[in-house]
Amino acid sequence: DVKVTQSSRYLVKRTGEKVFLECVQDMDHENMFWYRQDPGLGLRLIYFSYDVKMKEKGDIPEGYSVSREKKERFSLILESASTNQTSMYLCASSPQVRGLGGYTFGSGTRLTVV
Amino acid sequence: AQTVTQSQPEMSVQEAETVTLSCTYDTSESDYYLFWYKQPPSRQMILVIRQEAYKQQNATENRFSVNFQKAAKSFSLKISDSQLGDAAMYFCAYPSGYALNFGKGTSLLVTP
Repeated sequence: DVKVTQSSRYLVKRTGEKVFLECVQDMDHENMFWYRQDPGLGLRLIYFSYDVKMKEKGDIPEGYSVSREKKERFSLILESASTNQTSMYLCASSPQVRGLGGYTFGSGTRLTVV
Repeated sequence: AQTVTQSQPEMSVQEAETVTLSCTYDTSESDYYLFWYKQPPSRQMILVIRQEAYKQQNATENRFSVNFQKAAKSFSLKISDSQLGDAAMYFCAYPSGYALNFGKGTSLLVTP
């Protein structure tokens, strides 16, 4: 079974901490994505990457950065965590640009910033 | 900006009945794909069905089918013979730029 693995299911961090959310896929996909999911707002794109060391901002990149040093790993970084970044974070990967083949999702990380 | 709209925040259906979830989208493209994803309480997002816009025929996957109206930019999901395991959030999605753009979701409740 193909998989996207997010390292933590639940995470609690303090305001001002630097937070790393890790995502690893074993499908040799070129494209990887980070979304945040909030009730009533659906999924909003934070960043995506279509190749190693390549990254593009999504719709809500403020307060976040990403790293993709290897094809299989895409990390989301909260430079200085704030309470308004409390959310569900979903990682996804896709073999085709624009997600045309559909996404494979990780199981999500629920982050609480206190 | 291209948008995907799900006008029903919540829907309810009885077991064995049929329910239709609505989705409209806005695009100027002529060739594209549309998707429905399911997110059960376990949080794992699962692809339910995919429709290719250039195909006239509506996609079907077992009890799940779509009603794709290209001119109206409408892409509804029909679930037949609903089961308790169908209870979930359902998201409609459309490719925009390099990524999928998701609607806000419809929460489906299935009652015995």
